[in-house]
Amino acid sequence: QVQLVESGGGVVQPGRSLRLSCAVSGFTFSDHGMHWVRQAPGKGLEWVAGTSYDGSNEYYADSVKGRFTISRDNFKNTLYLQLNSLRPEDTATYYCAKPYNFWTGLDVWGQGTTVTVSS
Amino acid sequence: QSALTQPASVSASPGQSITISCTGTSSDVGSYNLVSWYQQYPGKAPKFLIYDDIKRPSGVSNRFSGSKSGNTASLTISGLRAEDEAHYYCCSYARSGLVFGGGTKLTVL
Repeated sequence: QVQLVESGGGVVQPGRSLRLSCAVSGFTFSDHGMHWVRQAPGKGLEWVAGTSYDGSNEYYADSVKGRFTISRDNFKNTLYLQLNSLRPEDTATYYCAKPYNFWTGLDVWGQGTTVTVSS
Repeated sequence: QSALTQPASVSASPGQSITISCTGTSSDVGSYNLVSWYQQYPGKAPKFLIYDDIKRPSGVSNRFSGSKSGNTASLTISGLRAEDEAHYYCCSYARSGLVFGGGTKLTVL
């Protein structure tokens, strides 16, 4: 069974850092690019970042570029999102998602992990 | 990376059909056959409905269909059921990234 399980969310002060993890099972992780998508409370979905199957290519939304870093460990079947210089507007539920094809069709989603940025 | 434009809400009665529009630009929706659609219930992760503008993955009801004309993509749901009441989001590839629509709340009357 294909499964994505996020962890690492929590309450953090503005300017601080956090690392999110997404543990993957049920498919060959190293064959697939992956994405992070977030959703602020009561708001819509926002794409955050994506990485190619081998981690050699990274893509970011303008809103997080230079502050967030996506990475992966194909031996541990785990995707990461390093969140630095956090702002209150980064408060959201963060989902990892597996694409059907890299730029279309996010066909498997995790349950999400919640990040709250507040002093 | 401006959000795609969707109507905030639509409503219809059971058994009817509805269409949700998703308007982008020639830099995203209009340039690539890479629009996807998602259904989301409150407090749940999104569910994948349509990809590559018109393709339906296995396991998704054929009551859901996608189409596109120019810079506007559309999701049609036929034979509405109570369980279709949810938020629906479109998404398109756009210059080395993905952009979502603002979401549409579907109410089944």
